[in-house]
Amino acid sequence: GENVEQHPSTLSVQEGDSAVIKCTYSDSASNYFPWYKQELGKRPQLIIDIRSNVGEKKDQRIAVTLNKTAKHFSLHITETQPEDSAVYFCAASNPGGFKTIFGAGTRLFVKA
Amino acid sequence: NAGVMQNPRHLVRRRGQEARLRCSPMKGHSHVYWYRQLPEEGLKFMVYLQKENIIDESGMPKERFSAEFPKEGPSILRIQQVVRGDSAAYFCASSQDRGPNTEAFFGQGTRLTVV
Repeated sequence: GENVEQHPSTLSVQEGDSAVIKCTYSDSASNYFPWYKQELGKRPQLIIDIRSNVGEKKDQRIAVTLNKTAKHFSLHITETQPEDSAVYFCAASNPGGFKTIFGAGTRLFVKA
Repeated sequence: NAGVMQNPRHLVRRRGQEARLRCSPMKGHSHVYWYRQLPEEGLKFMVYLQKENIIDESGMPKERFSAEFPKEGPSILRIQQVVRGDSAAYFCASSQDRGPNTEAFFGQGTRLTVV
């Protein structure tokens, strides 16, 4: 079945450093890749997404890259801040858009 | 727009009891998705519903779990004869349509504890 692998499971960085989270997906038909941030005890919230016809997208300190050939995509956070500390989930959605498969999550710690 | 509303936020049930989780999608959204999040784990797809229809329930356990999204009222996730392993956070998300690239908005979740 469809699967999304996410690495690392835990990431600790110093404030101001960059953080990179990587995901691979198995369903070659996937064409939409959202990233969610989940703070402790709260709901997942969409922070950025990318479609399959785009290789890179940037929004302020956050960027996402997609390599469809290799079936992997990455989240890059630059100039990290303590408030970036959270669990980040990547996801892949099939063309029907109704079965979004999530990665296991990356717990990011940003140390002040 | 109040967003996706889930209730209750916390639910405690004894083993063998029934749990009913409710989800009211965002206004104008007719697509509802349920996900389960075990402690320290990711979000697992359970079921996708449109009004009065189950579209994909491939993530639902075959027994004890059921979901509905009636014409009127919220979507309900029902767990019969709960066991300790059902303890988790259950998130509902809704979207306006099912086209590709459609953002889904999540509710606050219901944290079910089975004692």
